[in-house]
Amino acid sequence: AQSVTQPDIHITVSEGASLELRCNYSYGATPYLFWYVQSPGQGLQLLLKYFSGDTLVQGIKGFEAEFKRSQSSFNLRKPSVHWSDAAEYFCAVAPQGTTDSWGKLQFGAGTQVVVTP
Amino acid sequence: DVKVTQSSRYLVKRTGEKVFLECVQDMDHENMFWYRQDPGLGLRLIYFSYDVKMKEKGDIPEGYSVSREKKERFSLILESASTNQTSMYLCASGRLAREQYFGPGTRLTVT
Repeated sequence: AQSVTQPDIHITVSEGASLELRCNYSYGATPYLFWYVQSPGQGLQLLLKYFSGDTLVQGIKGFEAEFKRSQSSFNLRKPSVHWSDAAEYFCAVAPQGTTDSWGKLQFGAGTQVVVTP
Repeated sequence: DVKVTQSSRYLVKRTGEKVFLECVQDMDHENMFWYRQDPGLGLRLIYFSYDVKMKEKGDIPEGYSVSREKKERFSLILESASTNQTSMYLCASGRLAREQYFGPGTRLTVT
């Protein structure tokens, strides 16, 4: 079955430290890949996306993600977190090409990030 | 900027009531989506619409219906609200799955 897994439910990181959030997927073929962020009380905002090409993708707010086909992973990173990065982060995938599935983003369960002073 | 608005941020309803959640987008997107968000489950797709009056079931459509009479507006309807429908409801719009823009969400409590 197709699935998206975010192994870490909760991560605590110190301000200024680096952050890496894991995402693994199980799909028949490489899907479209996304990372979203949800700040408290807000909707989701797209951080970055991968469709094809360069496996290192730059996004907004200083985030980047690396696609690794061999590991079926799309991990999100930030070199130095700010207090404002405290939020919930969702990895999402959508199948490529099949017209009857284009509308169906599948989301991971989310990773809650807490930033300490 | 794309703007997706939802009619209420917080809503409290009683079991058995008919509930309408409204979503409006201002970017002329063909596609609109309704999700529910529950802790530990991420977002799950309830329904989506790819054109006016067109709709498709998502992964968890039971207990819900939708209406899209105008391109900019997509309504989620709970015909008879139940306590297990207490959740955060998120609307999104976009061009295909690649560009989904989300509203702020409606936190619905059914008592």
